[in-house]
Amino acid sequence: DTGVSQNPRHKITKRGQNVTFRCDPISEHNRLYWYRQTLGQGPEFLTYFQNEAQLEKSRLLSDRFSAERPKGSFSTLEIQRTEQGDSAMYLCASSRRGGGEADTQYFGPGTRLTVL
Amino acid sequence: KQEVTQIPAALSVPEGENLVLNCSFTDSAIYNLQWFRQDPGKGLTSLLLIQSSQREQTSGRLNASLDKSSGRSTLYIAASQPGDSATYLCAVKIAAGNKLTFGGGTRVLVKP
Repeated sequence: DTGVSQNPRHKITKRGQNVTFRCDPISEHNRLYWYRQTLGQGPEFLTYFQNEAQLEKSRLLSDRFSAERPKGSFSTLEIQRTEQGDSAMYLCASSRRGGGEADTQYFGPGTRLTVL
Repeated sequence: KQEVTQIPAALSVPEGENLVLNCSFTDSAIYNLQWFRQDPGKGLTSLLLIQSSQREQTSGRLNASLDKSSGRSTLYIAASQPGDSATYLCAVKIAAGNKLTFGGGTRVLVKP
């Protein structure tokens, strides 16, 4: 169990460029979540997968955002035509199927995006 | 819509004092509540998870209570240490497997 990993850890891009982030959940965790956190705020939910199925998307996830989890393992989050307002920490979390303690979400270190 | 609030936004205490961190939520129909720690520029570390049927959870110097009817949770950290300096976030979930709704966090500084 190596924990949730995210790559890259930092990304600096120019406005209008596309960026893609990757999240590798804890092995055997079938639930995967993406959140966005801006400075001084708590994380905000973006989207959620159970296996390869995307079950919920926040209204924060505009048409420029897309997330995939093609084989039910790692996930990617792509932002097209980035804007300065997209600058934030993008956090990924995973959890096992089941209730109780199994429902604990474990977070990765995040990808910090800076849009110039 | 569930809203989660943490007051105060920042707290400074001398080493050795007990810390009391507050979390309130507007909809009492929660599935569980989770407390996290976040160091600057880092991800979140889960501290405690309280099921809706539980009143409290303890882990070492940490104790978290839950009062669903009043929409409140409190995280107590006994005998604070400088290493406890971090931002503490609470988050609630309305159903198993569902998303977390976070408060804004309380930034804690423990002075030696």
